[in-house]
Amino acid sequence: EPEVTQTPSHQVTQMGQEVILRCVPISNHLYFYWYRQILGQKVEFLVSFYNNEISEKSEIFDDQFSVERPDGSNFTLKIRSTKLEDSAMYFCATHTGVDNQPQHFGDGTRLSIL
Amino acid sequence: AQSVTQPDIHITVSEGASLELRCNYSYGATPYLFWYVQSPGQGLQLLLKYFSGDTLVQGIKGFEAEFKRSQSSFNLRKPSVHWSDAAEYFCAVGANYNTDKLIFGTGTRLQVFP
Repeated sequence: EPEVTQTPSHQVTQMGQEVILRCVPISNHLYFYWYRQILGQKVEFLVSFYNNEISEKSEIFDDQFSVERPDGSNFTLKIRSTKLEDSAMYFCATHTGVDNQPQHFGDGTRLSIL
Repeated sequence: AQSVTQPDIHITVSEGASLELRCNYSYGATPYLFWYVQSPGQGLQLLLKYFSGDTLVQGIKGFEAEFKRSQSSFNLRKPSVHWSDAAEYFCAVGANYNTDKLIFGTGTRLQVFP
């Protein structure tokens, strides 16, 4: 079964540095999402992306966050200047757009800010 | 705003016992409903989903869930739990349309004793 692939699986970064998390969607999927899960807490929606633009974003997704799909393949989440509270598991999800289909999640990237 | 409540933070059962994990949602119309399972350090695996039709849905690994509109509930059940079912279980709602963001509950951690 096709999978959503996320890299890296674990990223350790100094506070204030920029990080880019990458996601390779399932090939025929058109809708893309980022979620995050702070350790021990629930999964929270960050942003959705369709047709090369943001469809919706949460209040968590402030100016330090950005998303893009630069090469028509990878879907990336960039955090411009990381803070300690950005430490979390970040999940990419994709959706085909066909009715009655679920979102498919990747295995996540664990981001640790030191 | 939509919300999802999982009242049980932690449940412990003996292997072979039956299981019911509770999920209540707050939304005016009939939402899209999902149960995901997360093993430690792993991603989110879809157990089952409800979009419409038969209110009792079957999923993978022997799980089932029943949508009860009158109670705004979507409880997950399994007749006989296996030790490998120990994990975190998340109920999620996609409210407005098929490709809408998912809103997750806080999760229920299932512990299984031999």
